[in-house]
Amino acid sequence: AQTVTQSQPEMSVQEAETVTLSCTYDTSESDYYLFWYKQPPSRQMILVIRQEAYKQQNATENRFSVNFQKAAKSFSLKISDSQLGDAAMYFCAYRGNYGGSQGNLIFGKGTKLSVKP
Amino acid sequence: DGGITQSPKYLFRKEGQNVTLSCEQNLNHDAMYWYRQDPGQGLRLIYYSQIVNDFQKGDIAEGYSVSREKKESFPLTVTSAQKNPTAFYLCASSIGHQEVYGYTFGSGTRLTVV
Repeated sequence: AQTVTQSQPEMSVQEAETVTLSCTYDTSESDYYLFWYKQPPSRQMILVIRQEAYKQQNATENRFSVNFQKAAKSFSLKISDSQLGDAAMYFCAYRGNYGGSQGNLIFGKGTKLSVKP
Repeated sequence: DGGITQSPKYLFRKEGQNVTLSCEQNLNHDAMYWYRQDPGQGLRLIYYSQIVNDFQKGDIAEGYSVSREKKESFPLTVTSAQKNPTAFYLCASSIGHQEVYGYTFGSGTRLTVV
């Protein structure tokens, strides 16, 4: 079965600095999708960025970018110029096409990011 | 504005009672999902529905039931058989089950059983 691992339960970054959140996953599929979701204190889940496994180019969305290493099954999120509003729980998620996930999103346990002014 | 509405935001129930959580969407999405969120556990899939009048069990379906009589609605019933029902529940939807752009989430319901 596919699994998603976020090894950092908590992270902290200084405002305006850069932080990287780690995510690894386990799968035997070659075609899949990866996502980062943000959950602020309001608890509303917000899609931050997505990556298609067949694309080698790393996805970017403004201050958010990913480092996708398919062979290593690694999908880290880099937040540049961190802002106070970036403080939240961040979840990494995997969606494959077959097997145990049956096309559903599988989530990691999350990383709580704090931003210091 | 289109979106997903979960109600109520907070729900309190006595142990042994069944309770139903509401989830309504006006996005015209075919697929809908229920997740349970516990501290340090991430999101775990309870049930999902790819189309009206059809639904499938997720990873932790025991003690829960759902229905999908309308495209817009996917209510979740937490039954007395659920051993530890106190949690935060999130409903989500997507255009199709294989839709690749991720899910749209509601704002959640916090259920506390006393």
